[in-house]
Amino acid sequence: GEDVEQSLFLSVREGDSSVINCTYTDSSSTYLYWYKQEPGAGLQLLTYIFSNMDMKQDQRLTVLLNKKDKHLSLRIADTQTGDSAIYFCAESPQTDSWGKLQFGAGTQVVVTP
Amino acid sequence: DVKVTQSSRYLVKRTGEKVFLECVQDMDHENMFWYRQDPGLGLRLIYFSYDVKMKEKGDIPEGYSVSREKKERFSLILESASTNQTSMYLCASSHGQGAQPQHFGDGTRLSIL
Repeated sequence: GEDVEQSLFLSVREGDSSVINCTYTDSSSTYLYWYKQEPGAGLQLLTYIFSNMDMKQDQRLTVLLNKKDKHLSLRIADTQTGDSAIYFCAESPQTDSWGKLQFGAGTQVVVTP
Repeated sequence: DVKVTQSSRYLVKRTGEKVFLECVQDMDHENMFWYRQDPGLGLRLIYFSYDVKMKEKGDIPEGYSVSREKKERFSLILESASTNQTSMYLCASSHGQGAQPQHFGDGTRLSIL
């Protein structure tokens, strides 16, 4: 099964907040990442959080990390139609020294007017 | 900004052909990666390289090989293309060892007929 798990789909109305959840298994991961993939494009690094932090805010994005439960979430405030995309969370296991990341399967976010 | 360039956005090849996918990065990154992305399966690592002429197998290396003759270029080779290799292929690069974000190209959508 997946080492990093995400729900596959989220529908949200324009102007509402979106919350995308992720669980991971490697407690030694030093960084956790959120990527965004728009249709037909590659993955764009949105934000990341270091494992000794609980929260990171960057404009409309808020990342919350619960290390005890190995749970990561991405909140998008005031969701816009341009936020429609697939969102991937990824962890960087400390046991890996070559920069490999473990990705979740991605959450498809659809923003409706 | 980091620029990772994949040589083709769309490619159509025939079964049995030898196929080359090229990736170039301009940030002097040590690590480079090739993934394939299929619906519902997320990203799966095919091969990666942490230095010139060095390569390591990822999770699904069968049917693929890679070449890294120069630091900025990482090629993925399908030795004898098959229809089950129809997919989106993504190249990424990252700096140094340990936890570093990966930066992605726009992807190559490959169809094998």
